[in-house]
Amino acid sequence: ILNVEQSPQSLHVQEGDSTNFTCSFPSSNFYALHWYRWETAKSPEALFVMTLNGDEKKKGRISATLNTKEGYSYLYIKGSQPEDSATYLCAFLYNFNKFYFGSGTKLNVKP
Amino acid sequence: NAGVMQNPRHLVRRRGQEARLRCSPMKGHSHVYWYRQLPEEGLKFMVYLQKENIIDESGMPKERFSAEFPKEGPSILRIQQVVRGDSAAYFCASSPPSRVRGSGTEAFFGQGTRLTVV
Repeated sequence: ILNVEQSPQSLHVQEGDSTNFTCSFPSSNFYALHWYRWETAKSPEALFVMTLNGDEKKKGRISATLNTKEGYSYLYIKGSQPEDSATYLCAFLYNFNKFYFGSGTKLNVKP
Repeated sequence: NAGVMQNPRHLVRRRGQEARLRCSPMKGHSHVYWYRQLPEEGLKFMVYLQKENIIDESGMPKERFSAEFPKEGPSILRIQQVVRGDSAAYFCASSPPSRVRGSGTEAFFGQGTRLTVV
């Protein structure tokens, strides 16, 4: 069983604050690292797929970086908005198609 | 292109009954994964299937749980003789085949089946 850890477990920020959280994963047999956004009562929605060491991806106010050598990825949200409130999941893609998910970081943005 | 379809969305079973959860992957996707989310916990991998094959069932409980993905039709997760501890949300995801390292195969999720055992 591979360990994918996310921290913090939960985060409360004010509207307008910038925030970031971490996903740690095994640095061997790396294929890809995925970030998902999961709103309550919906299914997880893909944000980023990161495959190469040093990858940086950006979508609007959300960005992510990847370090495969040390086994971590950061997700950043600039100027958080209430609609950013969700659980952010990372998934380590191992051995072609097997995903190992972290437990998620639950973000709550207060207006 | 319809997304991953799971049904039913909600399922209530009495202890000892059987629960059958269905997942129709996205068109062109031949890989299906089942995950379970217990209350207050994250997603836990259960099983990974390709058409007519179980590739990895290391996350499946040894007893009462089984999964299949037949040549035709949806993938089925079957739980026999359900107990209260089986109450959870069960998510299915599908992905296309990927044979290139680092190609970033993306998994798409269904909306889940919420199983309640009473």
